[in-house]
Amino acid sequence: QQQVKQSPQSLIVQKGGISIINCAYENTAFDYFPWYQQFPGKGPALLIAIRPDVSEKKEGRFTISFNKSAKQFSLHIMDSQPGDSATYFCAASIETSGSRLTFGEGTQLTVNP
Amino acid sequence: EAQVTQNPRYLITVTGKKLTVTCSQNMNHEYMSWYRQDPGLGLRQIYYSMNVEVTDKGDVPEGYKVSRKEKRNFPLILESPSPNQTSLYFCASSPNRDRGTSEQYFGPGTRLTVT
Repeated sequence: QQQVKQSPQSLIVQKGGISIINCAYENTAFDYFPWYQQFPGKGPALLIAIRPDVSEKKEGRFTISFNKSAKQFSLHIMDSQPGDSATYFCAASIETSGSRLTFGEGTQLTVNP
Repeated sequence: EAQVTQNPRYLITVTGKKLTVTCSQNMNHEYMSWYRQDPGLGLRQIYYSMNVEVTDKGDVPEGYKVSRKEKRNFPLILESPSPNQTSLYFCASSPNRDRGTSEQYFGPGTRLTVT
């Protein structure tokens, strides 16, 4: 039973376009929402994270939008580049439970030149 | 260099032949975890450990064992591998701060094929 649902499974965008990946969660106790980026042949690495006390967090071309009432959050990649081509995972956790994360299914992003 | 290492990186084995995948971290992290990655299913947690001698089941623990005798090592043991355990496995570690969540550092992965 997947507690964090991610869509789309795959995404193709043109260079310079906006990539949007969505996640929805069920457990209202979740209070930490990171995104991980994984390149082929590598382990995932933390990209950006948000806590529910804010509705948006931006780091460079990457932005997380968070909607607590809808139990949804999304990753926006502005001015997408071929080097952004990777698999992206959203995740969620409960801070008081320590470091345990529940991951979404993953989105394979391809940015065409 | 701060890192999580896994060995072997690739392994092909036969059903029923016991195997161990090693994981080691040099960051003095308390928390360590094993995940398996399968297409369309994302990363699913197998086992995790909050500290030495403290381990607990994740979401898909059946068919796996772990141990945490030292802080830096967290081996994954498959006593009798089956073809449905063919997958990509990741070890991860994290400082288990009092505040709660913190960044998890992943190893490079072990691709296991069980025939």
